[in-house]
Amino acid sequence: SAVISQKPSRDICQRGTSLTIQCQVDSQVTMMFWYRQQPGQSLTLIATANQGSEATYESGFVIDKFPISRPNLTFSTLTVSNMSPEDSSIYLCSLPGGVGGNEQFFGPGTRLTVL
Amino acid sequence: QKEVEQNSGPLSVPEGAIASLNCTYSDRGSQSFFWYRQYSGKSPELIMFIYSNGDKEDGRFTAQLNKASQYVSLLIRDSQPSDSATYLCAVNNPHSGAGSYQLTFGKGTKLSVIP
Repeated sequence: SAVISQKPSRDICQRGTSLTIQCQVDSQVTMMFWYRQQPGQSLTLIATANQGSEATYESGFVIDKFPISRPNLTFSTLTVSNMSPEDSSIYLCSLPGGVGGNEQFFGPGTRLTVL
Repeated sequence: QKEVEQNSGPLSVPEGAIASLNCTYSDRGSQSFFWYRQYSGKSPELIMFIYSNGDKEDGRFTAQLNKASQYVSLLIRDSQPSDSATYLCAVNNPHSGAGSYQLTFGKGTKLSVIP
């Protein structure tokens, strides 16, 4: 399976600022996903990012708050804008793959704390 | 609203016993079912996937799927303390724009294996 890396691994940010999270893959993939995992909760899909098109956002998530870039087939960024303490979460990118073709693999995550 | 339900636990089993983790899902159109293991502070790791009714075995893990009952389970035989983690059930959302790749996660079951 592909190797997925994320930067930063963790950060502590001030309310009202923005943070851009990077996701790098060692192979070309058409589709990437961004998830959020709030403390003690499961994973919630933020958006699907396809290279060459606008990201598709899930209900409750908007582009102004979570702009996504997908400049090529190995890289994506998620920005968390105008942060509040409620944005404190782990943010994960993932991509499909595997033997069955439908499996999904996650990056190591970015642990964000907003003060 | 697509839902995936899991007992949050914690589920405690003695070392060497069988741990049984259960999951129900609401969308009859779902075709792909996954179990992820998540250690504290780490990202989810795919441990099993199943697409057809019945049992699928991989080492100490067995996934069971019953589409008629909309039920999927994970059995862990000869449980070890290293199996202590949160286990997330995930189901594909066939109605999403991302095709079969988009996943809905349950809240997870915390498993504790007591030495």
